Parts: sequence; structure tokens; C-alpha cells
Amino acid sequence: DAGVIQSPRHEVTEMGQEVTLRCKPISGHDYLFWYRQTMMRGLELLIYFNNNVPIDDSGMPEDRFSAKMPNASFSTLKIQPSEPRDSAVYFCASSRTANSGANVLTFGAGSRLTVL
Amino acid sequence: GENVEQHPSTLSVQEGDSAVIKCTYSDSASNYFPWYKQELGKRPQLIIDIRSNVGEKKDQRIAVTLNKTAKHFSLHITETQPEDSAVYFCAASRTGTASKLTFGTGTRLQVTL
Repeated sequence: DAGVIQSPRHEVTEMGQEVTLRCKPISGHDYLFWYRQTMMRGLELLIYFNNNVPIDDSGMPEDRFSAKMPNASFSTLKIQPSEPRDSAVYFCASSRTANSGANVLTFGAGSRLTVL
Repeated sequence: GENVEQHPSTLSVQEGDSAVIKCTYSDSASNYFPWYKQELGKRPQLIIDIRSNVGEKKDQRIAVTLNKTAKHFSLHITETQPEDSAVYFCAASRTGTASKLTFGTGTRLQVTL
């Protein structure tokens, strides 16, 4: 399995531009998570999906952020318009609910976003 | 919601010494506690986890202990090696179909020669 695949790996954009980050979860995983990592805040959960349905988006910072999961093999995180404070590494992770009920996350390599 | 606190934020040990990282959680219903290791520029990866039905779990040089009464759990690394240098994150969640992990703020471990 290729693991969780994210693109782009690096994105540099100017303030006000739209940014779209993409994620392909591991086949067969029924959960997908979007995290943001910064030095100040650590790993923050933005939103997660179960069977393509958004379950909890309480971590989405504001209306400029949106996420979709149109099918089991693809998700996007969009920021429009982007601001310098959005600069961070965005991780996608997926998991399959184990018999024990615990979610063991597998992370993608991350997308490093820099907004100038 | 769950709140996980992690200490220390940085830890420097000499090679061969032990390292201990501690976390506390707030939700008494949490019953799954994983630890993730993130090397510089890499993704977080699960290294060990523990469920609330056990108090300790070991895997070679790493061990995790859990005190449900006090709501804290710890990661112990013995005989540290330079390759143990990384950021370590603890996390907590309830198990079940609507579970989500809440992470601590991370501990940067530096193993010096």
C-alpha cells in the first residue's frame, strides 16, 4: 500500500489566493482526518470524516476553510482567501476502526503551506 | 471536550540514559492513549499505544504506563540512542465509532552523545 498520499508537498502562495490541498487515504480506511501543525499550536484537528461524511468540523478556524470528501478515495481542504497566519504544515491521516474501537492513525507526508 | 497536557516541552538526555515524558488528560471517559514519534521533517508515526484495561505496556526499549485514577500516562524510553531524537506526541480518545484523537503539544527529545 502506498500509504496516505498528499499533494502538493510544498505550496507557496500570496495572501488572498485560493489554496487547495489534496489527500488520498489508504484503501479500506473509513476515517479521514485533517490536522494543522504549527510551532505555536502543535497538532490541531481541523475536521474529520467517517465514510465520507463530515463528523466534526469544530476545529476549522473560520469560514475561509472548507473540506470535502466526495468519495472514499479523495478529500480536499480549501482555504479561500489565504492569509499569512495560515502558514503551517497540513497533515491528512486515515484510519480504520479496529475491533477494539480505537482509531490508529496513519499520517500522510504533509503539505507545507507558506502564505506570503 | 478532551484536553491533553504534555510535559516537558523539551528534554535533553545523554545517550544510554532514560527519558520520561508525562501527559495528563481531562476526559474520564477516554480509554485509548497512543504515542506518536515525529522525526524532523517527517510525518508522525505511532510507536506504542495503551488501552485503559491495562496499566503498563512494553515494546523493547519503550514502555507506557497509565494511571486512570489520576488521569495521567507516561512514556518511558530506556537506553536512549541518537535515533530516538524526535518530537513525541501523546494523545487520548474514547474508543467507538465517533472517536477522535486529541494530541498533546509535543516533547522535543534530544539524545546527545
